Amino acid sequence: DTGVSQDPRHKITKRGQNVTFRCDPISEHNRLYWYRQTLGQGPEFLTYFQNEAQLEKSRLLSDRFSAERPKGSFSTLEIQRTEQGDSAMYLCASSLRGQGAPTDTQYFGPGTRLTVL
Amino acid sequence: GQQLNQSPQSMFIQEGEDVSMNCTSSSIFNTWLWYKQDPGEGPVLLIALYKAGELTSNGRLTAQFGITRKDSFLNISASIPSDVGIYFCAGLGPRNKLIFGTGTLLAVQP
Repeated sequence: DTGVSQDPRHKITKRGQNVTFRCDPISEHNRLYWYRQTLGQGPEFLTYFQNEAQLEKSRLLSDRFSAERPKGSFSTLEIQRTEQGDSAMYLCASSLRGQGAPTDTQYFGPGTRLTVL
Repeated sequence: GQQLNQSPQSMFIQEGEDVSMNCTSSSIFNTWLWYKQDPGEGPVLLIALYKAGELTSNGRLTAQFGITRKDSFLNISASIPSDVGIYFCAGLGPRNKLIFGTGTLLAVQP
């Protein structure tokens, strides 16, 4: 039984560089979510996919951020031209939405800690 | 962004004591979730509540979904050192976004 996995767990980069994170959801979960968490705060919603379709994007997701889920399985989150304010924990969650499934009970991965120098 | 009001902000207790924390919102939610987060890790789901008035237990944890659908509480009985961590409530908002509380830091002294 594998939960949500994320890679890498930690990323240190210089300002201006591009970074990409990967999330593998729980097998057969059709919904996948990205959240961002800064120190001392709860996670904040960024975007979510149902299968391969990106259905919702937060205003927190600037033009420098892009997320994909090309085959409805794993997802990537790319940040272009990173800024120091992008330093945070990036969390991925997945859920199963369908007949008989409880409403969007979201299970989180371990997160990717990004530090922008 | 929007966050739910969670209290207390922190608790320092002795092993064996019971703990209670709650979460309030100005908005109605149809689902409430409680998570625990350890440093450097993602939130781990503890209890999910799907119906107003519902009272659900998971071992030493008990949570209730308020009748008004604007609040929830979590109780931990007979705390142990491994209960240490940050506890978050979350309401499932429009368009499947989880809106999180501000968190309760729990410290347990053996």
